[in-house]
Amino acid sequence: EVQMVQSGAEVKEPGATVKISCRASGYTFIDHYMHWVQQAPGRRPEWMGLIDPEDGKTTYAEKFKSRVTMKVDRPARTVYMELSSLRSEDTAVYYCTTLAWNNNPYPAGWGQGTPVTVSS
Amino acid sequence: DIQMTQSPSSLSASIGDRVTIPCRASQSIGNYLAWFQQKPGKAPKSLIYATSRLHDDVPSKFSGSGSGTDFTLTISSLQPEDFATYYCQQYHTYPPTFGGGTRVEIK
Repeated sequence: EVQMVQSGAEVKEPGATVKISCRASGYTFIDHYMHWVQQAPGRRPEWMGLIDPEDGKTTYAEKFKSRVTMKVDRPARTVYMELSSLRSEDTAVYYCTTLAWNNNPYPAGWGQGTPVTVSS
Repeated sequence: DIQMTQSPSSLSASIGDRVTIPCRASQSIGNYLAWFQQKPGKAPKSLIYATSRLHDDVPSKFSGSGSGTDFTLTISSLQPEDFATYYCQQYHTYPPTFGGGTRVEIK
C-alpha cells in the first residue's frame, strides 16, 4: 500500500521558517518524483514544486522559489519541505504527493496533510 | 500558466443519479489531465490520470473523458460516500495547475 506520513501541525510567527517531513512507503521511492502542494482554507490546491528522490534535483514554482527548499534523505525514504519568511497568507495545509508526470502508471498517494498556522 | 476552470462550483444530486462534472483548460493539454476527490478535512484522493485511467483502488463507477481543452468526470450512480469536492489538474505544462473544484451536494 502506497503511504505518505507527514509531520504534525505547526504554529509559526510571521518571518519564521517551517520544515515539514514526509516519509513514503509501499513503492520504489527513488523511481517517482515527490511533489508538494499548498491548500489555503477554502482554496484550490496549488503546486509548490517537486524533488527527484533519486538525485535530489528540484523544480520550484515561480511563486515559491525564493522561499522554498526541498530535500531528500534516501535511506530514510523521507523528503522535506522548508518554507521561510512565513506570512499570514502561508496559513494552509501542506501535502506531499506523487502526481502524474507523464501518462505512465505511477503509485498514487497523498500524505495526510500538515496544517501550518502563521500568526503573531 | 494554464488556467483550469470548473463550473459549476457546486451541484446537487440524489443517490443513484448519474453525475457529470466538467473541466476546461485555457489551452490544449492533450490528455494530460487528472481528477481528485476531496472530503472535508481530508487529503485529496487520486482518482484518474491520463484523462480516463483509473487508479487501482478506484471503483468503476468513476470514468473520465475528453481531450484538448474539455474534459468530464462521470459518476455513474451516486452513492453517499461520493459526496465530496472534485478537482481536475493538468500536467501538460509547468507548473501543474488545479481547477477550482466542484462540490457535489445531496439534493
